[in-house]
Amino acid sequence: AQSVTQLGSHVSVSEGALVLLRCNYSSSVPPYLFWYVQYPNQGLQLLLKYTSAATLVKGINGFEAEFKKSETSFHLTKPSAHMSDAAEYFCAVSAANTNAGKSTFGDGTTLTVKP
Amino acid sequence: DVKVTQSSRYLVKRTGEKVFLECVQDMDHENMFWYRQDPGLGLRLIYFSYDVKMKEKGDIPEGYSVSREKKERFSLILESASTNQTSMYLCASSLVGTGTYEQYFGPGTRLTVT
Repeated sequence: AQSVTQLGSHVSVSEGALVLLRCNYSSSVPPYLFWYVQYPNQGLQLLLKYTSAATLVKGINGFEAEFKKSETSFHLTKPSAHMSDAAEYFCAVSAANTNAGKSTFGDGTTLTVKP
Repeated sequence: DVKVTQSSRYLVKRTGEKVFLECVQDMDHENMFWYRQDPGLGLRLIYFSYDVKMKEKGDIPEGYSVSREKKERFSLILESASTNQTSMYLCASSLVGTGTYEQYFGPGTRLTVT
């Protein structure tokens, strides 16, 4: 079984500041990991995914995440926040040896960007 | 581009009505999912289907049923709508298998039951 914990349901940063959204996972088998973003009144869209090829993964809009097996973490970062980054972010995990199209999602983190 | 469409963006129904939410995807994906999203509770899986006529219960199936007669279409049915089913409903699809298959989401249906 897999599970995901997103630390902090709300994160607020100033424009231009570092964005750090935390995600810890639990999985009994090698995991696949994903970050999705949801803008108001829209569905989720993929930001980036961990494919086991490289531990540092780059995604769209300047976001990246690092897979740390020893810490069971997959934190999302962006060096400089932009107002357009304000959204809800979801971390998700799926199992590499089963139907990997079925994922378990975290509860989400709402990012606010202050001018 | 993968496209997942949902039949309505906003829906208002009365308590006790039968409600159908339709979802269509155009990428020949085997997996399809229905989630509900409520503030502070994230995404909760209601049902998913990994093939035509195949379905599995998710975490919160009570009060819901689903239908998948064609590969591209997955319907969520509320047999007798209740006010506690007021929520945002999201449909998604993905490939099936052991690859790194992300899910593709529709825009959501905001259902209000009065």
